[in-house]
Amino acid sequence: GDSVTQMEGPVTLSEEAFLTINCTYTATGYPSLFWYVQYPGEGLQLLLKATKADDKGSNKGFEATYRKETTSFHLEKGSVQVSDSAVYFCALSSNSGNTGKLIFGQGTTLQVKP
Amino acid sequence: NAGVTQTPKFQVLKTGQSMTLQCAQDMNHNSMYWYRQDPGMGLRLIYYSASEGTTDKGEVPNGYNVSRLNKREFSLRLESAAPSQTSVYFCASISVAGPSGGYEQYFGPGTRLTVT
Repeated sequence: GDSVTQMEGPVTLSEEAFLTINCTYTATGYPSLFWYVQYPGEGLQLLLKATKADDKGSNKGFEATYRKETTSFHLEKGSVQVSDSAVYFCALSSNSGNTGKLIFGQGTTLQVKP
Repeated sequence: NAGVTQTPKFQVLKTGQSMTLQCAQDMNHNSMYWYRQDPGMGLRLIYYSASEGTTDKGEVPNGYNVSRLNKREFSLRLESAAPSQTSVYFCASISVAGPSGGYEQYFGPGTRLTVT
């Protein structure tokens, strides 16, 4: 079945460092891909998405490109801030069945130190 | 708009007790979902309701039941709680689960459940 694999955390960076969180997926057809962020004690919020190959999603300085050839959707940010400390989830939504179900990776904790 | 709301925020149960987690959304969304979040496992889908009057099992439905009471409300019931159900539970909704699959799910703040 469909699945999502993220790099294991925690990831600890200094402020203004470059961030990459790897995400790869297995799916039939052409899924939509998402990055969600969860701040401490809160629910998940959509960070960015891409619905077809070569699309680039971006928001708040974060970017991710839908790479069908490598089945990847890596999250990047050029300069992280302390306020970016959170758990990041990669997810896919299969286009079959019109159910809207999301399949999540295990999450990657990011800690940014001043 | 309150978005997706969940009650209670925290709950402690003893093994064998029952309870219902409540979820409501005020965005006129058609589809609603219940997930559980466990350390190192991401979120896993328990049940979902693609539209009012329908419910379907997700990845981990055992030990749970759901009711789509109306378009706004989608409740999750634990009939006989077990320690393995200790988790954080999230409700989510989506406007339309269309063929493009690119719609954002909106999440509630979660219910932290401990079963002793």
